[in-house]
Amino acid sequence: AQTVTQSQPEMSVQEAETVTLSCTYDTSENNYYLFWYKQPPSRQMILVIRQEAYKQQNATENRFSVNFQKAAKSFSLKISDSQLGDTAMYFCAFMKPWGAGGTSYGKLTFGQGTILTVHP
Amino acid sequence: AAGVIQSPRHLIKEKRETATLKCYPIPRHDTVYWYQQGPGQDPQFLISFYEKMQSDKGSIPDRFSAQQFSDYHSELNMSSLELGDSALYFCASSTRQGAREGYTFGSGTRLTVV
Repeated sequence: AQTVTQSQPEMSVQEAETVTLSCTYDTSENNYYLFWYKQPPSRQMILVIRQEAYKQQNATENRFSVNFQKAAKSFSLKISDSQLGDTAMYFCAFMKPWGAGGTSYGKLTFGQGTILTVHP
Repeated sequence: AAGVIQSPRHLIKEKRETATLKCYPIPRHDTVYWYQQGPGQDPQFLISFYEKMQSDKGSIPDRFSAQQFSDYHSELNMSSLELGDSALYFCASSTRQGAREGYTFGSGTRLTVV
C-alpha cells in the first residue's frame, strides 16, 4: 500500500515571498502520478499541479512548481510570489496507474495536509 | 464549463437515520469516485465506479452502499448513521484514462449527524 507524508502541519509566508511545502511518499511502483491539491476555506478541492513519475522534468504551472526526486520519493511544491488567495490547506496525493495490478486505478491517497497562511 | 454537481450541499440527520448523497459527473465522464473528509483530516477514498460497475473499494463501512446509474450519476446511501459519519463527502469524476490528469471534484456535501 502507498503512504503519503506531509511533515509540515502549518506554514506561513509573507505576501510576494516564496514558500516550499514538503511531501514524501512510499511505494514499490515504478510508474505513478503525483498531485498537489489546494483546499481553500470554501473546502473546494482544486488541482494545483501534477507530475508523472516517468518524466524527469519537474512540472510547472505559472507560480507553482515542483521538485520531484524519484529516488528519494520526495515531491515538494514551491509557490513563488505568494498571494493572499494562496491561503489554503494543501494536500499531496499519489495515484497508481491503471495496469499496475489490482483495481486501484484512479484512487488518490492523500497526505495529512499542510495549512498555508499568506500574510499581507 | 460544466463541473461535478453534488446534492445536497448540506444535510443534517439524526443518529440511526438514512441519508442519500447524489453526484452528477461532468458530461462524458464514465468514472466516479467518492471520498470522505472528516474534520481536520485528509480525504479518504470510499468507492469508485467505472461504466456503472464498482471498480474499487476503500474504507467504506458496510452501512454504506453506492451505485452508478445508466446516466452515470451516482448515489451514496448511508444507513444507521452514527455521529462519526459527520464529514464532508466529495464526489469526483473523470474518464478512465483521464484520471491520470487529475480529476475534478465537486463542491462536496457536508453531512452533520446529531
